[in-house]
Amino acid sequence: EAQVTQNPRYLITVTGKKLTVTCSQNMNHEYMSWYRQDPGLGLRQIYYSMNVEVTDKGDVPEGYKVSRKEKRNFPLILESPSPNQTSLYFCASSYRTASYEQYFGPGTRLTVT
Amino acid sequence: AQSVTQPDIHITVSEGASLELRCNYSYGATPYLFWYVQSPGQGLQLLLKYFSGDTLVQGIKGFEAEFKRSQSSFNLRKPSVHWSDAAEYFCAVGATGTASKLTFGTGTRLQVTL
Repeated sequence: EAQVTQNPRYLITVTGKKLTVTCSQNMNHEYMSWYRQDPGLGLRQIYYSMNVEVTDKGDVPEGYKVSRKEKRNFPLILESPSPNQTSLYFCASSYRTASYEQYFGPGTRLTVT
Repeated sequence: AQSVTQPDIHITVSEGASLELRCNYSYGATPYLFWYVQSPGQGLQLLLKYFSGDTLVQGIKGFEAEFKRSQSSFNLRKPSVHWSDAAEYFCAVGATGTASKLTFGTGTRLQVTL
């Protein structure tokens, strides 16, 4: 089954404790992206990757890091989480660019206390 | 820079009634336009998309949308809403060419009363 998986689905952590949210797709997609969803703000892009070893900032990259060492994986790293990073995070992938249909993971709800 | 406005935060309709969700975009050329749906606790799923050609596009679950260049709009419609359509709906705009991002609207939450 074609899918995007994210882990964990729920995470409660404390300020400053490094964490990684994993994202994996099994569709051989070139493009992958991370979004955060906050009430009243819709989805905002954090980082994206057009292919392996090619990543770039989206609209809200501060406090986040990503890497793309393999085509299928695109982890999101919070080196020192803060409460304002409490949010619902989505990973997405598409065949080539953002303008192809994006397939979304189920989301990771992160709470930073 | 591209942007999307969804003026309705929340809409309530009765089951069987028609539905129209509004979306206005800003982009310098002909954009790629999308509607995504997010059911409670789920990720987003593509309903339909407009790239070029016929300005009335059909999507899944009986939805359609019409691209109106003169009004910079891409409104989503359904003739008869079902209770299972209750969800949040997002309009998104993408740049043509080698596009690195989609810009999403803030969403419209649809409530369906029985």
